[in-house]
Amino acid sequence: QSALAQPVSVSGSPGQSITISCTGTSSDVGAYNYVSWYQQHPGKAPKLMIYDVSNRPSGVSNRFSGSKSGNTASLTISGLQAEDEADYYCSSYTGSNSLVFGGGTKLTVL
Amino acid sequence: EVQLLESGGGSVQPGGSLRVSCAASGFTFSRYAMSWVRQAPGKGLEWVSAISGSDGSTYYADSAKGRFTISRDNSKNTLYLQMNSLRAEDTAVYYCAQGRRYCTNGVCYQNYYYAMDVWGQGTTVTVFS
Repeated sequence: QSALAQPVSVSGSPGQSITISCTGTSSDVGAYNYVSWYQQHPGKAPKLMIYDVSNRPSGVSNRFSGSKSGNTASLTISGLQAEDEADYYCSSYTGSNSLVFGGGTKLTVL
Repeated sequence: EVQLLESGGGSVQPGGSLRVSCAASGFTFSRYAMSWVRQAPGKGLEWVSAISGSDGSTYYADSAKGRFTISRDNSKNTLYLQMNSLRAEDTAVYYCAQGRRYCTNGVCYQNYYYAMDVWGQGTTVTVFS
């Protein structure tokens, strides 16, 4: 199972919005709504930000939103803040008794 | 408060074995699917294995099949990953994670492929010759 495709890096200025894409296939992202997004700061454990494509766990800022179109899922962060600078990973169920992560995207807040 | 605490990491030679553990607290452990996810130095996340909370069904990434065994002891609230025939490419931080659980109309569902709600801090495994 190949990793989901994410841009290596994205950047934005404070207050702006950015979108991170996560491209899979019709067997994973396109087939199931079990797409999640995780935030990871350096040296820290990942943190769940979005589950089931577009749902936010309790305590996660509403500046974070998720969506999906076809085989591509997206994470949008609005009103960028310095603390949003981190690595972001998507993941999806593959339907073949496995999960797959994206390669990760480094978000830089300029 | 939900907490996951991994332990058992260390250094081992290629071909060797190691068992890492994850002690859970703050929730009814037996009701949740659990996963192991690893992260090689400077690399991304890789799902390794998962185990159901209901019937103990197990699932493995291709990289782990035949070498790793996931298990759980619900009486001790502990998750395990037994790793055999270790290779240099198994060097990574190993995280355990709690699978999300949904309840609707009094019925609750847990599946390993639901999102990973809570993560431990990780334990480091180094395989070197």
